[in-house]
Amino acid sequence: DAGVTQSPTHLIKTRGQQVTLRCSPKSGHDTVSWYQQALGQGPQFIFQYYEEEERQRGNFPDRFSGHQFPNYSSELNVNALLLGDSALYLCASSWDRADEKLFFGSGTQLSVL
Amino acid sequence: SQKIEQNSEALNIQEGKTATLTCNYTNYSPAYLQWYRQDPGRGPVFLLLIRENEKEKRKERLKVTFDTTLKQSLFHITASQPADSATYLCALSRNDMRFGAGTRLTVKP
Repeated sequence: DAGVTQSPTHLIKTRGQQVTLRCSPKSGHDTVSWYQQALGQGPQFIFQYYEEEERQRGNFPDRFSGHQFPNYSSELNVNALLLGDSALYLCASSWDRADEKLFFGSGTQLSVL
Repeated sequence: SQKIEQNSEALNIQEGKTATLTCNYTNYSPAYLQWYRQDPGRGPVFLLLIRENEKEKRKERLKVTFDTTLKQSLFHITASQPADSATYLCALSRNDMRFGAGTRLTVKP
């Protein structure tokens, strides 16, 4: 049983570019959440997808957008990259319950130069 | 605004001792509180969940307490081992899940 998989593992972009990160949830999970984790900080909630809709959103600008596909996999898109977007981007999957524990992938390390 | 504070950036203890980590929160009424472990370069791994109507939960060498009056959770690792060295994150959830900044625990042999 595969856990949460994310791709790519590392990515280098320059300011102003756009990036797409991908996530496949753990088998049987239907909810995907995305987090941004800066060095030395805890994960910051970006948004959550359920039934292909954005259900909750954290305090992130519209440059951050996402999508969930019928097979529950998800993408995170970031437009007009800023230096401050450099971080580890984590995907987590769960069942459709707020109390359910999250299963995290190993993340995508994004560096913006 | 909502705030979650883990009031030690780093904690160093000797092998065999009990590690106690603290998570305080303000302007939040979580239905659940969870603790995760994170190793460098990896995603967090779930450890324990405690509900708002529970006072204490145990799992092997781990114990978590939850005081909704004090708005505080304590996380204990008894008989600590060097392999317990990691960053520990508390997370509060009602409609979504919000994390603290974490406490980096180092257990020295």
